[in-house]
Amino acid sequence: DAKTTQPPSMDCAEGRAANLPCNHSTISGNEYVYWYRQIHSQGPQYIIHGLKNNETNEMASLIITEDRKSSTLILPHATLRDTAVYYCIVRVRGTTDSWGKLQFGAGTQVVVTP
Amino acid sequence: DGGITQSPKYLFRKEGQNVTLSCEQNLNHDAMYWYRQDPGQGLRLIYYSQIVNDFQKGDIAEGYSVSREKKESFPLTVTSAQKNPTAFYLCASSGQPRGRSYNEQFFGPGTRLTVL
Repeated sequence: DAKTTQPPSMDCAEGRAANLPCNHSTISGNEYVYWYRQIHSQGPQYIIHGLKNNETNEMASLIITEDRKSSTLILPHATLRDTAVYYCIVRVRGTTDSWGKLQFGAGTQVVVTP
Repeated sequence: DGGITQSPKYLFRKEGQNVTLSCEQNLNHDAMYWYRQDPGQGLRLIYYSQIVNDFQKGDIAEGYSVSREKKESFPLTVTSAQKNPTAFYLCASSGQPRGRSYNEQFFGPGTRLTVL
């Protein structure tokens, strides 16, 4: 599985957009980009995933560059409850024929301030 | 409402004792996982199971054991052979229904184990 590189921490003002970068320069053609977040002392929570097209759901947007070597998770209007560690993971999409094992790095600690 | 439960939330044990952490899911998921998390670090995979009566070692299986006798249950035993057992332990499951892929894992609230 491709490794990812994320900044260790970033701050964001409440109500502003938070843009979380992730580099995955060795990503393979069949690997997806997944984002999870972990609020302190809780289990991680799935946010979004994508292959090459931009994706949006009720939580966030995912922008993947054309060469797929990097991506950005966007939280459009950050709230205090978005303070968490955000993990960027690249993985072959799990199906019944393959494994859903995820490799979690250290992630980015996002602090949303009032 | 379906989900994953882990009990207890906090667990204290004396050094040299085995301890079993509970994980139960009612999501009807095929796959289940155990992770360990140390302070300031990401999660590391201990064991995983794709189907009942089958499980595989993850990246840090030494000193741990598991069983998968029922689809909804995947208990983890931390044995006395585990050198540094104090950590936050997370259980997860994935599959259909609900999951959009097997990489969409649903996590339990975790058990914080402290060995004295």
